[in-house]
Amino acid sequence: DVKVTQSSRYLVKRTGEKVFLECVQDMDHENMFWYRQDPGLGLRLIYFSYDVKMKEKGDIPEGYSVSREKKERFSLILESASTNQTSMYLCASSLRQAKNIQYFGAGTRLSVL
Amino acid sequence: QKEVEQDPGPLSVPEGAIVSLNCTYSNSAFQYFMWYRQYSRKGPELLMYTYSSGNKEDGRFTAQVDKSSKYISLFIRDSQPSDSATYLCAISMTTDSWGKLQFGAGTQVVVTP
Repeated sequence: DVKVTQSSRYLVKRTGEKVFLECVQDMDHENMFWYRQDPGLGLRLIYFSYDVKMKEKGDIPEGYSVSREKKERFSLILESASTNQTSMYLCASSLRQAKNIQYFGAGTRLSVL
Repeated sequence: QKEVEQDPGPLSVPEGAIVSLNCTYSNSAFQYFMWYRQYSRKGPELLMYTYSSGNKEDGRFTAQVDKSSKYISLFIRDSQPSDSATYLCAISMTTDSWGKLQFGAGTQVVVTP
């Protein structure tokens, strides 16, 4: 079974803090994605990566950055957390050959106070 | 206008009833259609995957695509309380190199015993 593991289920941070969300997948997937999920808005793509050290902006990249130093690990960074970044963050991965089939982690619920 | 529209519900049905879910989309370039199920406090899991028009059946689940109307549906027969979850439609374009998905907002389904 594919496993996508997000390091924290719940996080509480203060405004202005630098926040790191970590995601690890164990199936050698080339593609990895970060989404945020908000009520009524569904999942919105923040950033994705199709290879080590490669990244592309999604639909809502402002206020975020990412890092992919190893194939299995994809990090989302909030440089200076703000209250409007309070959300559920979901990581996903997919094989290049089956690019549309994404496997998700359990999510990190981030609260910024 | 959102690229994918989905009624957020909640949709409440008695056990054993047929659950009918649908999404509409605006761009005819979308060719891949997926349904994800998300239980409370969990990440989405892929339920059904189809491409182009037609029906696909998997046990109690049937996915239907009508490209002429830009309309996709998911039917759940003989619904069970364990089917209570949020159902998300997701679509993707063939021209997208990375398999980026556009998600609907999700419909919450409650199956009452």
